[in-house]
Amino acid sequence: DAKTTQPNSMESNEEEPVHLPCNHSTISGTDYIHWYRQLPSQGPEYVIHGLTSNVNNRMASLAIAEDRKSSTLILHRATLRDAAVYYCILREGGFIIQGAQKLVFGQGTRLTINP
Amino acid sequence: KAGVTQTPRYLIKTRGQQVTLSCSPISGHRSVSWYQQTPGQGLQFLFEYFSETQRNKGNFPGRFSGRQFSNSRSEMNVSTLELGDSALYLCASTEDSGVLGAFFGQGTRLTVV
Repeated sequence: DAKTTQPNSMESNEEEPVHLPCNHSTISGTDYIHWYRQLPSQGPEYVIHGLTSNVNNRMASLAIAEDRKSSTLILHRATLRDAAVYYCILREGGFIIQGAQKLVFGQGTRLTINP
Repeated sequence: KAGVTQTPRYLIKTRGQQVTLSCSPISGHRSVSWYQQTPGQGLQFLFEYFSETQRNKGNFPGRFSGRQFSNSRSEMNVSTLELGDSALYLCASTEDSGVLGAFFGQGTRLTVV
């Protein structure tokens, strides 16, 4: 399984943008980049995913480097509820296989939001 | 739609006992996966079931097993419990397309004493 590298922790202020980096230098051409987050006392929650192009959804934006060896999750305006551990995961084959999933979690980045 | 439901939420067992955890996926989801989360090892994949068949298995001893029923509900069983099995056990379900990612339950907190 291809691995990802993330900073152990990051800190930001409420209502400011947050950029969470992820390195995945051994990514293969069919690997999708997924982001999940885990709030305290809850199971992980899907945030966003992408393959090559930048992606936006109601929760966040995902910026993918041209060589795909790194990506950045962008929270445009952080709130206290965004304090969580954020995981960057490479998932093989994307959605081609029927619902197949084997998510390989790293240690993630613990994001602290200051009021 | 109801989310992924795991029961029980908390469990205390004694070393040597066995335990069965239950997971009800989101209606219509046929893929169910199990993960173990501990402070030391983080989130680790246990196994994945699709239409009653195990498709993927993580690197866990044979004491960890699971099954899936025709209604997609899944159970995992741990036999001969060890202290190190104390963990949060998470279940996730995924729709066939996988477009929306995996939906996780709140987990079952197992404590082995």
